[in-house]
Amino acid sequence: DTAVSQTPKYLVTQMGNDKSIKCEQNLGHDTMYWYKQDSKKFLKIMFSYNNKELIINETVPNRFSPKSPDKAHLNLHINSLELGDSAVYFCASSQDAFLQRSGNTIYFGEGSWLTVV
Amino acid sequence: GDSVTQMEGPVTLSEEAFLTINCTYTATGYPSLFWYVQYPGEGLQLLLKATKADDKGSNKGFEATYRKETTSFHLEKGSVQVSDSAVYFCALSDLDSSGTYKYIFGTGTRLKVLA
Repeated sequence: DTAVSQTPKYLVTQMGNDKSIKCEQNLGHDTMYWYKQDSKKFLKIMFSYNNKELIINETVPNRFSPKSPDKAHLNLHINSLELGDSAVYFCASSQDAFLQRSGNTIYFGEGSWLTVV
Repeated sequence: GDSVTQMEGPVTLSEEAFLTINCTYTATGYPSLFWYVQYPGEGLQLLLKATKADDKGSNKGFEATYRKETTSFHLEKGSVQVSDSAVYFCALSDLDSSGTYKYIFGTGTRLKVLA
């Protein structure tokens, strides 16, 4: 059973295109996240939602727009793709960002490898 | 603000060698501490965690002890295997000013184990 699943796993697209990455979690968690990992493996949070409400919105170009139709899904839409958007995008979830709950472990998806050419 | 600093890699060891990956942190509150591992082509997986001072997290032969006095959470393993080759991330979870628990990840340390 895949706890956090995201699609597609690989995506190659041209500059200027618009693309979406979908994410679903079956853990019953309230909080979901999008992270970006660059080629040096540095991991940077982009967005976080708790029960469909945006709670973290880091300095990210407004070409990136998250959408959470329900608390089990958090999709990422990217408009007008640029070369610098090439990275691995990870979806993740945790039980509740407002409660510590013994460490509040984050569970990651397997990543979506985006290449912009 | 909170931060996590871990040793730069890559770390290259022979099989059965002893491993230490250093991690120190700064935090305004009382954070929980984590080590995550990322195998090639995969997402991050929780390796171990500790939620209070002097707690020891352990899993798959790896250990780390929450040291509040030195603000450290060093990862150790007595005898590494080729299959341990991966990138290791130290992280903390702490309450931020907005009332949410925010994760801060270190920059990752790549470990390569040679047969």
